[in-house]
Amino acid sequence: GAVVSQHPSRVICKSGTSVKIECRSLDFQATTMFWYRQFPKQSLMLMATSNEGSKATYEQGVEKDKFLINHASLTLSTLTVTSAHPEDSSFYICSAPRTDPNQPQHFGDGTRLSIL
Amino acid sequence: GQSLEQPSEVTAVEGAIVQINCTYQTSGFYGLSWYQQHDGGAPTFLSYNGLDGLEETGRFSSFLSRSDSYGYLLLQELQMKESATYFCAVRDRVNTNAGKSTFGDGTTLTVKP
Repeated sequence: GAVVSQHPSRVICKSGTSVKIECRSLDFQATTMFWYRQFPKQSLMLMATSNEGSKATYEQGVEKDKFLINHASLTLSTLTVTSAHPEDSSFYICSAPRTDPNQPQHFGDGTRLSIL
Repeated sequence: GQSLEQPSEVTAVEGAIVQINCTYQTSGFYGLSWYQQHDGGAPTFLSYNGLDGLEETGRFSSFLSRSDSYGYLLLQELQMKESATYFCAVRDRVNTNAGKSTFGDGTTLTVKP
């Protein structure tokens, strides 16, 4: 079964709305989670690393005030897209790695965000 | 930084064998993973190589040569449902639940009857 749960799977909303996406590790604790964004026919691009109990680390070019990340517990990270605009429409995917490097990096099912 | 190169498209017929290559340049390296992604879905894990050599999982195999910074995914007895995009990804470090992966641009595999 799934080890990383992501919710919601799809969001359609008006421009200017803020959207929160949740990512949960189901059977293990994750002090770190990763948030990726994927545009159609493109690769996964890492947006930020979510760290439990401390500030997220953002990749170059990603606006931290636009994409708010909160890692409130060892099993939950949230990404909030603030005042979303049509150019923010994308597929957002979270991932939670296990400590053992020989274990695969598990992904949530993704959230397809469409801003009208 | 990290960069990975893989072919953009591969076409094969059902029942055939196909190999998808991946070369990488990384500032740090821990392991090479392969993921499958169907349209509209999230990536699913296929195989991982931490050490040199071949890893076999049923009809899928993956190979790694760290000295050549090269790996490949081998799919045997191809099935139509395996038409998808395949990503190689490098995990760059291991540090207390860290170890983020950088992904290649993906190889779109089309399996024809």
